[in-house]
Amino acid sequence: DAKTTQPPSMDCAEGRAANLPCNHSTISGNEYVYWYRQIHSQGPQYIIHGLKNNETNEMASLIITEDRKSSTLILPHATLRDTAVYYCIAVPSGAGSYQLTFGKGTKLSVIP
Amino acid sequence: DVKVTQSSRYLVKRTGEKVFLECVQDMDHENMFWYRQDPGLGLRLIYFSYDVKMKEKGDIPEGYSVSREKKERFSLILESASTNQTSMYLCASSLGQGAYNEQFFGPGTRLTVL
Repeated sequence: DAKTTQPPSMDCAEGRAANLPCNHSTISGNEYVYWYRQIHSQGPQYIIHGLKNNETNEMASLIITEDRKSSTLILPHATLRDTAVYYCIAVPSGAGSYQLTFGKGTKLSVIP
Repeated sequence: DVKVTQSSRYLVKRTGEKVFLECVQDMDHENMFWYRQDPGLGLRLIYFSYDVKMKEKGDIPEGYSVSREKKERFSLILESASTNQTSMYLCASSLGQGAYNEQFFGPGTRLTVL
């Protein structure tokens, strides 16, 4: 599975967009980019995923570069409840691909 | 709203006790997972199940066993608890693989073994 690299921490002002980068330069063509987050003392929460195209849902937008070597998760209007550790992971699409391997993630602090 | 529930949020057990952690999902998902999470080590997969009565070892199955008698329920068993099994245990479920591998997690059980 491709290794992902994220900055260890970021700050964002409340109400502003939070842009969280992820580098996955070794990603293969059949690997999806998934984003999860984990709020303190809770289980991880699925946010969004994509393969090639940009994706948007009610929580966030995912922008994947054309060469697929990096992506950005965008929280359009960050709130204090978005303070969490955000994980970017590459997940194979083939049969038998069940496991998620989380790295250290980015600790996002939303500042009032 | 999708839901994965775990039997306890906090549990304290003694060394050598047999411990049962229960997980129930209401989404009719095929796959269920047990992870443990420790500071500095991230999330590690213990066991998973892709169907009733089926199970597969993850990265760290030693000292654990699992049971899936019904689709919605996946149990983790610590046969003889040891202090190095003190951890946060997380259960998850998913519909499929690859593009359908969104895993939904329970709130976690923080187990302390004394």
